Amino acid sequence: EAGVAQSPRYKIIEKRQSVAFWCNPISGHATLYWYQQILGQGPKLLIQFQNNGVVDDSQLPKDRFSAERLKGVDSTLKIQPAKLEDSAVYLCASSLTEQFFGPGTRLTVL
Amino acid sequence: AQRVTQPEKLLSVFKGAPVELKCNYSYSGSPELFWYVQYSRQRLQLLLRHISRESIKGFTADLNKGETSFHLKKPFAQEEDSAMYYCALRSSGNTGKLIFGQGTTLQVKP
Repeated sequence: EAGVAQSPRYKIIEKRQSVAFWCNPISGHATLYWYQQILGQGPKLLIQFQNNGVVDDSQLPKDRFSAERLKGVDSTLKIQPAKLEDSAVYLCASSLTEQFFGPGTRLTVL
Repeated sequence: AQRVTQPEKLLSVFKGAPVELKCNYSYSGSPELFWYVQYSRQRLQLLLRHISRESIKGFTADLNKGETSFHLKKPFAQEEDSAMYYCALRSSGNTGKLIFGQGTTLQVKP
């Protein structure tokens, strides 16, 4: 089966600019997750969707980060404006029971 | 608070030597524990989970509730085991978020 797809794979922006990431989960997976992985750390959940509803966004910096999952399939994560500390790999995962991860988007904020 | 601790950032062993990657957790309730692995240039993937009590690629992990540990073990390391290993705790239910440790890089030398 096709895995979780993410784009772009790499992005370099300057601070205060905006950026968006896209995720296409495995077909049929109702639950979708966005994780942030800062260098040297494990992934940390930013937001979890069940279909197109938010289940957990307690660690999402809502003043600058937003995410949506229209129609309960694809999802986008946006950062506006970006800060230096947002430099990280952003991982998307989807699940029925086991979580499957995408390749990630590596964001560098200069 | 729910937390996963992996005390070693790097573990270096010779091929054929035993391996033990340490993981301790903090959780109020019955935890679900997992080990994820990320090989070079590949995506994060599930290695094993405590519920299934299985051995994958020669690795095993036993949940010790008394010591709140879930150490990953392999009797004879192979060079292809070199990778980043993450211990993770699932907070609740089949679609609960994963809480990751900081990860341990396993380096198996020839």
